[in-house]
Amino acid sequence: DGGITQSPKYLFRKEGQNVTLSCEQNLNHDAMYWYRQDPGQGLRLIYYSQIVNDFQKGDIAEGYSVSREKKESFPLTVTSAQKNPTAFYLCASSLLAAYNEQFFGPGTRLTVL
Amino acid sequence: DQQVKQNSPSLSVQEGRISILNCDYTNSMFDYFLWYKKYPAEGPTFLISISSIKDKNEDGRFTVFLNKSAKHLSLHIVPSQPGDSAVYFCAASESNNDMRFGAGTRLTVKP
Repeated sequence: DGGITQSPKYLFRKEGQNVTLSCEQNLNHDAMYWYRQDPGQGLRLIYYSQIVNDFQKGDIAEGYSVSREKKESFPLTVTSAQKNPTAFYLCASSLLAAYNEQFFGPGTRLTVL
Repeated sequence: DQQVKQNSPSLSVQEGRISILNCDYTNSMFDYFLWYKKYPAEGPTFLISISSIKDKNEDGRFTVFLNKSAKHLSLHIVPSQPGDSAVYFCAASESNNDMRFGAGTRLTVKP
């Protein structure tokens, strides 16, 4: 089945630890995105990548880092510098051509204790 | 600076009636608009879209209307079904550059 996967579904970490969230897609999409969702707020863009080995900061990139070594994979690291890391994280991918929707993964809920 | 706004956090309608979800935007450069549906603890799923060259797009029970002069779009669901109960996000982009999302409207369809 074609799709986008995120693992794990739930993640718990102690304060001060870095943690990496996985995102993989087999849709052959060029572009991939990371969003954060907090209660009562829309999805806010953290980072996005339109091509391998290149990525751009979104609106709330501080305290996060990404890599794009393969077209299929776009892992997100939540560093200890992120002040409020507890949130629901969503990964998405899309074709690069105009007027294409983004496809979302099931999300990872990160809780920092 | 919120460029896409959904001013109603929640909406409740009776099964079989029409649901109307509203969305306003401020960036006149947006030319592609989408609606996503989201269940708890899941990723959003694409529902319907419209480009700025149109003012209406219909797909089964779902219709999206775009009023460019008012910078307003709406999603109509007719007839509403209990399975439509979810959070609906409005999104907008400039020629598929990064997408901006509204805060969402929680729709409850009562049997």
